[in-house]
Amino acid sequence: AQTVTQSQPEMSVQEAETVTLSCTYDTSENNYYLFWYKQPPSRQMILVIRQEAYKQQNATENRFSVNFQKAAKSFSLKISDSQLGDTAMYFCAFMKKDNQGGKLIFGQGTELSVKP
Amino acid sequence: EPEVTQTPSHQVTQMGQEVILRCVPISNHLYFYWYRQILGQKVEFLVSFYNNEISEKSEIFDDQFSVERPDGSNFTLKIRSTKLEDSAMYFCASSDWGNEQFFGPGTRLTVL
Repeated sequence: AQTVTQSQPEMSVQEAETVTLSCTYDTSENNYYLFWYKQPPSRQMILVIRQEAYKQQNATENRFSVNFQKAAKSFSLKISDSQLGDTAMYFCAFMKKDNQGGKLIFGQGTELSVKP
Repeated sequence: EPEVTQTPSHQVTQMGQEVILRCVPISNHLYFYWYRQILGQKVEFLVSFYNNEISEKSEIFDDQFSVERPDGSNFTLKIRSTKLEDSAMYFCASSDWGNEQFFGPGTRLTVL
């Protein structure tokens, strides 16, 4: 069975600075996706970034980038130039790639506070 | 931009009552999901649905739960006899090729 672990329950960062959120996972699968979702106080789940396991290049979306280390089963999220609107709960998620539409397995979440 | 919608946004019910949570997935999507999140906890998978049948379900999804796609647009989650521990946020999600899942805004279920 796959597991996802986020070891930082809470983090804070000053506005305009950079912060890195950690995520590790355990799987015996070779084909999978990894995601970071943002959940603001509204509790809407918003996709931040996606990484396909077969791609060696780290995904980037504007101020958000990942450090994907497949051998170490690590998938951290870096937020550059942090903004107040980045304050939210962040969930790391794993999904096995199959033709049945795989389920997302989430970590416990990291609550990020961006301070002015 | 197309989005997943869910109704109601908040449902309050008495223990033992049946509830139906409704979702309208994105129109050309083929894969549908329900997740739940108990307050302060992580998001947990309940069930996935593809080609008009359940493709996978979790241990949480016992006989009290059922899903249905009654027409070409709606996707529903029914809880037959609610328990206090069913109080949670329920999220519907949909996907076109089974990769990126788009979430609805959630239905907050409160069981008294």
